[in-house]
Amino acid sequence: SQTIHQWPATLVQPVGSPLSLECTVEGTSNPNLYWYRQAAGRGLQLLFYSVGIGQISSEVPQNLSASRPQDRQFILSSKKLLLSDSGFYLCAWSVSVDTQYFGPGTRLTVL
Amino acid sequence: EDQVTQSPEALRLQEGESSSLNCSYTVSGLRGLFWYRQDPGKGPEFLFTLYSAGEEKEKERLKATLTKKESFLHITAPKPEDSATYLCAVQEYGNKLVFGAGTILRVKS
Repeated sequence: SQTIHQWPATLVQPVGSPLSLECTVEGTSNPNLYWYRQAAGRGLQLLFYSVGIGQISSEVPQNLSASRPQDRQFILSSKKLLLSDSGFYLCAWSVSVDTQYFGPGTRLTVL
Repeated sequence: EDQVTQSPEALRLQEGESSSLNCSYTVSGLRGLFWYRQDPGKGPEFLFTLYSAGEEKEKERLKATLTKKESFLHITAPKPEDSATYLCAVQEYGNKLVFGAGTILRVKS
């Protein structure tokens, strides 16, 4: 069966510091991978998606970036965090354009 | 622009009191409508996918239905463990899901 991991689970970072969140998927090959952000009381906002290694599509222009160095690894990064980057970050995977399955999430607080 | 609106924002039920959650959407071409359950501090858990008007799917006390403009999640005789946020999302032809803000359900014993 497929499983998806995210780490860290929680993170507190100062404004201006860098960020690296990691997501890995097990039990499937060549998945589509997604990064979402969920603000309190709001729906999930798609940030990036990837259909293959090195292939990244950005949905929202901002100071975040994503990379996919391996087939089942997806990384969300920032060089300098802003207060507005605080939120709940979720990674998801899917087979082609089918149902998306979500990881446990990372709670990021920028102070 | 695609829009997904969920109502009510919050719903309080007594155990055993059946009700429905609504998800209305406007998309130019619907590929699929998805329902997820999300517990506090956790990632969304997949419940159902509906593809065409008239389709229905059931899982335990939950039943999802779809029309051309909206979907309903019916909860029959809910239990406290059904308390969660229920998210609706629509997908046009492509990868992108557009999510509603969710309905927070609380079931009291």
